[in-house]
Amino acid sequence: EVQLVESGGGLVQPGGSLRLSCAASGFTFSSYWMSWVRQAPGKGLEWVANIKQDGSEKYYVDSVKGRFTISRDNAKNSLYLQMNSLRAEDTAVYYCARVQQQLVQGYYYYGMDVWGQGTTVTVSS
Amino acid sequence: DIQMTQSPSSLSASVGDRVTITCRASQSISSYLNWYQQKPGKAPKLLIYAASSLQSGVPSRFSGSGSGTDFTLTISSLQPEDFATYYCQQSYSTSFGQGTRLEIK
Repeated sequence: EVQLVESGGGLVQPGGSLRLSCAASGFTFSSYWMSWVRQAPGKGLEWVANIKQDGSEKYYVDSVKGRFTISRDNAKNSLYLQMNSLRAEDTAVYYCARVQQQLVQGYYYYGMDVWGQGTTVTVSS
Repeated sequence: DIQMTQSPSSLSASVGDRVTITCRASQSISSYLNWYQQKPGKAPKLLIYAASSLQSGVPSRFSGSGSGTDFTLTISSLQPEDFATYYCQQSYSTSFGQGTRLEIK
């Protein structure tokens, strides 16, 4: 079964750090871009970061640049999100997601086709 | 940055209705547009990619159309399990729309 399982969420004080993990199983993890997406309480989805199959390319939403670092260990089938200098506005459910690549009429298109169940991060004093 | 705007923000409809949700991009994104469904307390589910391609396993009552800046998601005959929140996402640089909550009338 194709599966993603997040862990590492919790309560942290403003300015603190947290490392999220996402364990992948049931597919060839090293073949896929991976993403982190978050959802603040009662709000919509916000893409946070992407990482290429070999880790050579990483992209971030502006609000987390310089504070969050996405990484992966293909030998361990795991994705990570190191979050530093946390703020109250980082409070959210964090999802990891697999990025599928589909060829349509000669062009590649990308969508997040497998999601974890989410892990909750609360930043509060 | 490319902004995605969905309309309406919320919608009430009945089982069996035909429903259309609109998504507009602030600049052309060709067909780099996905649609997701999210139910309360659950992770999102990919419904449509490349603006109009149905994801495997998704019922055929869901369809997508559009290119450039204007896109639509249509549910041809609402079923009870379709009441959820729907998000568009531009896969050019990954931002989401604000969501459309579909409620039972």
